[in-house]
Amino acid sequence: GENVEQHPSTLSVQEGDSAVIKCTYSDSASNYFPWYKQELGKRPQLIIDIRSNVGEKKDQRIAVTLNKTAKHFSLHITETQPEDSAVYFCAASPFGANNLFFGTGTRLTVIP
Amino acid sequence: DAGVIQSPRHEVTEMGQEVTLRCKPISGHDYLFWYRQTMMRGLELLIYFNNNVPIDDSGMPEDRFSAKMPNASFSTLKIQPSEPRDSAVYFCASSLEGEAFFGQGTRLTVV
Repeated sequence: GENVEQHPSTLSVQEGDSAVIKCTYSDSASNYFPWYKQELGKRPQLIIDIRSNVGEKKDQRIAVTLNKTAKHFSLHITETQPEDSAVYFCAASPFGANNLFFGTGTRLTVIP
Repeated sequence: DAGVIQSPRHEVTEMGQEVTLRCKPISGHDYLFWYRQTMMRGLELLIYFNNNVPIDDSGMPEDRFSAKMPNASFSTLKIQPSEPRDSAVYFCASSLEGEAFFGQGTRLTVV
């Protein structure tokens, strides 16, 4: 099955700086890559996703890049704010399978 | 739509007891997933259904765990007998064409 690795496990940044979280996947058939944000005590919620027919997608301060050749994708958050503090999960979904395999999460702390 | 609804939100039970977790997916979604979240192992996929049919249960840790989806609007995850190591947050999620929506989760504590 698919194996998703995520780094780093923890990340601290100063408010206003950028944060980058990286994930690799093993199944070349994966074609859907969402990112979820989980605030303390709450459910994971989708913040951005990308499909394998594009290399980059942006939504205001967040962006995701995908390198299918290298089988890795990254989340970029610019101008970080304290409310960005949360655990972020990447995931990959093999084509036709529709199930999501999650990375182990990155705890992001934005220091005011 | 109220989103994915799970019950109970919290469950404390004694070792050896049966535990049943419940989930109501978003209406119209054709996939339903059960995940377990712990600090040590992160989010683990236990089982998922497509159109009420179990597709992959390879993530179910052992025979003590079972899941059913008798209809499109209801699913259960049962643990019998429960053990302390089953303590975790159990999430149900449903999806249609990719994006998964999670319920609030059930925090299970087995003492």
